[in-house]
Amino acid sequence: KNEVEQSPQNLTAQEGEFITINCSYSVGISALHWLQQHPGGGIVSLFMLSSGKKKHGRLIATINIQEKHSSLHITASHPRDSAVYICAAPMYSGGGADGLTFGKGTHLIIQP
Amino acid sequence: EAGVAQSPRYKIIEKRQSVAFWCNPISGHATLYWYQQILGQGPKLLIQFQNNGVVDDSQLPKDRFSAERLKGVDSTLKIQPAKLEDSAVYLCASSLDRLNYGYTFGSGTRLTVV
Repeated sequence: KNEVEQSPQNLTAQEGEFITINCSYSVGISALHWLQQHPGGGIVSLFMLSSGKKKHGRLIATINIQEKHSSLHITASHPRDSAVYICAAPMYSGGGADGLTFGKGTHLIIQP
Repeated sequence: EAGVAQSPRYKIIEKRQSVAFWCNPISGHATLYWYQQILGQGPKLLIQFQNNGVVDDSQLPKDRFSAERLKGVDSTLKIQPAKLEDSAVYLCASSLDRLNYGYTFGSGTRLTVV
């Protein structure tokens, strides 16, 4: 069963700073997910990646399958980026059961 | 396309009462998941359905929790009787093809047990 660790747990930064959130997992996977959750809101999927790097606007996600590690970067951070960012990986390495194991999340606050 | 619909958005009940949550996934999504998110933690999978069959319910507390997806479309999650520690957000998610399209989450139902 997969274990997902995220760091840091809390992060406060100034507007414009480059942000990095790290995620490691224990079991080989087909794809890793980065998700965003605003207070009182539902979860929005940001990225699903199985190799290399993906970019969407100011967000960049990278993954190293061999090292079982992924990072989420935010360039030119803005107060509206303030949210909880969650890393998630399939619970098992294969089979029909493919629910996600979630990290505890990184609570990001971007101050103006 | 419409998203994953959940209701109610909020529910407050007393301990030992029963409660039910409803989820309507995106049309055509065969796979449906229920997650429990306790404050300050990441979501935890409770149950996964493929059409109307259960794929994984290993983490569902079956002495008090039950779920069904009778026609392979919408789903209901029930708690009976509720305990204080059941206070959480209950999230529903659905997937068409998780390897290519990932998951879509509903807004969740926030349950408070007093």
